[in-house]
This record gives sequence, C-alpha cells and structure tokens, in this order.
Amino acid sequence: DAGVIQSPRHEVTEMGQEVTLRCKPISGHNSLFWYRQTMMRGLELLIYFNNNVPIDDSGMPEDRFSAKMPNASFSTLKIQPSEPRDSAVYFCASSLARTSGGTDTQYFGPGTRLTVL
Amino acid sequence: AQSVAQPEDQVNVAEGNPLTVKCTYSVSGNPYLFWYVQYPNRGLQFLLKYITGDNLVKGSYGFEAEFNKSQTSFHLKKPSALVSDSALYFCAVTPGQGAAGNKLTFGGGTRVLVKP
Repeated sequence: DAGVIQSPRHEVTEMGQEVTLRCKPISGHNSLFWYRQTMMRGLELLIYFNNNVPIDDSGMPEDRFSAKMPNASFSTLKIQPSEPRDSAVYFCASSLARTSGGTDTQYFGPGTRLTVL
Repeated sequence: AQSVAQPEDQVNVAEGNPLTVKCTYSVSGNPYLFWYVQYPNRGLQFLLKYITGDNLVKGSYGFEAEFNKSQTSFHLKKPSALVSDSALYFCAVTPGQGAAGNKLTFGGGTRVLVKP
C-alpha cells in the first residue's frame, strides 16, 4: 500500500492567495483527518470525516478554512484568502474506523509544508 | 476535555543506554493511548497503542510502553537506544467512545537525542 498521499509537499504562496491541499487516504479506510503542526501550537486536529461526512470541524480556525471529501479516496483542505499566520505543516491521516467512535490507528501522510509570504 | 502532558521537551541519552519518554494523560472514561514518532521532514509514524488488556504494550523498533492507570501515565521505553532513534516523539489519547472517540489529542512532543 502506498500509504496516505498528500500533495503538494511544499507550497509557497503570497498573502491573499487561495491554497488547496490534497489528500488521498489509504484504500479502504473510512475516516480521514486533517491536522496542522506549528512550533507554537503543536499538533492540532482541524477536522475529521467519517464515511465522507464531516463529523467534527471545531478545530477549523476560521471561515477562511474549508474542507471537503467528495468521495472515499480524496479530500481537500482549502484556505482562502491565505495569511502569513497560516504557515505550518498540514498533515492528513486516515484510519479504518467505520464509525465516528472508532479507535483504529491513524496513519499519517508526509505532510504539506505551507509558507505564506 | 482530554489532555496529554509530555513533561520533557528533550531527552538526551547515550547509545546503548535505556531510553524513557514520559507521558501523562487526562481523559473521561477509559483511555486509548498512542505513541507516534516523527523524523525530520516526515509524517508521524505509529509506534504502539494501548486499548485494553496487558499494561505492557510492545511496538515497532523495539519500543514498549507501560500503562499505569493509578498514575495516569503511559511512558515509552526502549532498553537500548540507537542513534537512529533520535527523533520527535508524540503521545496521544482518545476517549475511544462516543462521537469523539476518534479524536486524538496530542502532547507537545519530546525530542530524543541519542549520542554515539
């Protein structure tokens, strides 16, 4: 299995631009998670999906952030407009958990390093 | 609300010596506990987890962790550290039930440096 795939691996953009991060979960996994990692705040859960449905988006920092999962093999995290404080590493993870209460291991992708100038 | 504390920002150990990375947690109900490792410019890699059963959990790369309910701890251990174990280690907890059962809360991470 190729594991969780994220693209791009690095993104440099200017303030005000739209940024779209992409994730392909492990085939057969039912839950998908988006995390953000910064030096100041550590690892934060932004949103997670179960069976393509958003279950908890309480970690999404503000309306500039949105996430979609149109099918079981693809998800996007969009920031519009981007700001310098959005600079971070964004991770996608997936797990087998068939329900939102499941506890299966989450497997992480390599991350996207976002720099907003 | 659940929380995880990793009291040491960095742990230094000589190669061949035992390695311990500390973790304490707070969660309602029975905890589900995880350890992950992050190498530079890489994603998090799963090491081991405790769900139920034996308090001593064995995982990848020779690591193990001991669940201690009375002390609400889940310390990561390795009997003989390798230079290649130098990385950032994260402890995480989830309540394991209810709508938030899937929601991992991570500690701040502990950087391990193993010197030759």
